[in-house]
Amino acid sequence: EPEVTQTPSHQVTQMGQEVILRCVPISNHLYFYWYRQILGQKVEFLVSFYNNEISEKSEIFDDQFSVERPDGSNFTLKIRSTKLEDSAMYFCASRALAGSSTDTQYFGPGTRLTVL
Amino acid sequence: RKEVEQDPGPFNVPEGATVAFNCTYSNSASQSFFWYRQDCRKEPKLLMSVYSSGNEDGRFTAQLNRASQYISLLIRDSKLSDSATYLCAVNGLGSNYQLIWGAGTKLIIKP
Repeated sequence: EPEVTQTPSHQVTQMGQEVILRCVPISNHLYFYWYRQILGQKVEFLVSFYNNEISEKSEIFDDQFSVERPDGSNFTLKIRSTKLEDSAMYFCASRALAGSSTDTQYFGPGTRLTVL
Repeated sequence: RKEVEQDPGPFNVPEGATVAFNCTYSNSASQSFFWYRQDCRKEPKLLMSVYSSGNEDGRFTAQLNRASQYISLLIRDSKLSDSATYLCAVNGLGSNYQLIWGAGTKLIIKP
């Protein structure tokens, strides 16, 4: 069964450093998402991406965040200057097409980001 | 009012019992509703989409009540392996179906 993959599984970084989190969505999917989950809290939407551009973003997704699909397979989330409060699990998700039977989002296993 | 609300639990339930969770949502324009299951420190895994007519998958039944703006999940004949956090997700206002999440209901099945 196709699945979303994410690397690395765990990233430890110093405050102020840049990190890039990588995702490989399911190959025939067209919509891509990043969510985060701070430990013990709910999952929060960050950004959605379609047709090589951001389609929606939340208040959390400020100027320190950016996303990119540099080739046909990878989907990356960059955090330019990490803060302690960026420590969280970051989940990538992908979806095939709009429509009642195919609007399910499939999640990758997540990257645990620890900012020291 | 929070966009999506769930009772955090935990629900401590004996094996074999039936348990039900509710989830309320604030946006009456929401179109898509889901139950996900999340094990500790893992990604959410889709359990069921929730359709207007209600739907059943084995021991799991999901219902949608648009008038009262809630969805429900019923688990029959609960197993130890059902222990997890159950997340309710509703599509947001955007056109790309980004999901708005409840905080989850923790379920503990006891032998």
